[in-house]
Amino acid sequence: GDSVTQMEGPVTLSEEAFLTINCTYTATGYPSLFWYVQYPGEGLQLLLKATKADDKGSNKGFEATYRKETTSFHLEKGSVQVSDSAVYFCALGSGGGADGLTFGKGTHLIIQP
Amino acid sequence: ETGVTQTPRHLVMGMTNKKSLKCEQHLGHNAMYWYKQSAKKPLELMFVYNFKEQTENNSVPSRFSPECPNSSHLFLHLHTLQPEDSALYLCASSPPSGRESYEQYFGPGTRLTVT
Repeated sequence: GDSVTQMEGPVTLSEEAFLTINCTYTATGYPSLFWYVQYPGEGLQLLLKATKADDKGSNKGFEATYRKETTSFHLEKGSVQVSDSAVYFCALGSGGGADGLTFGKGTHLIIQP
Repeated sequence: ETGVTQTPRHLVMGMTNKKSLKCEQHLGHNAMYWYKQSAKKPLELMFVYNFKEQTENNSVPSRFSPECPNSSHLFLHLHTLQPEDSALYLCASSPPSGRESYEQYFGPGTRLTVT
């Protein structure tokens, strides 16, 4: 079946550092890929997405590129802020839509001033 | 603004109680989902409703009973729960079929504690 693997956390960085959170997946067909973010006490918010190979999703300074050859969708940001502290989830959707998403375990990111 | 609301936000219940979680979406979507989020585990998809019809039940115990009276409302009825059912229960919705239908919008969740 489909699966998503994320790097283990927590990841602790200083403000303005460069961020990479790794995500790899296994899936049948051609999945859509997503990054979601969860701030404390809240639900998940869609951060960015990519629906086909070589697509780059971007939002709020975050980027991720759909790499079919390496089955990866790593999340990057050039300069993180304290407000980026949250849990980040990589997810994929495959099949026929409306089937639910497959999520990774999440990576807790802590940004220190 | 999320467009998906959930009530209550927090719930404490005994193992013999019966309670219900409510989810409402104002986005015009046709598919709705229940997920369970436990510490140290990936989100677990519990139920999927598409156009009010249940299309997926991921081997969820019968003590969880979903109900979808229309495309905007989704309920999760709870009875005789176990302490291991304590978790954050998230509701989500997504647009009609097509590639965009994978994009799900989540509510804030109900934090359930079973004592």
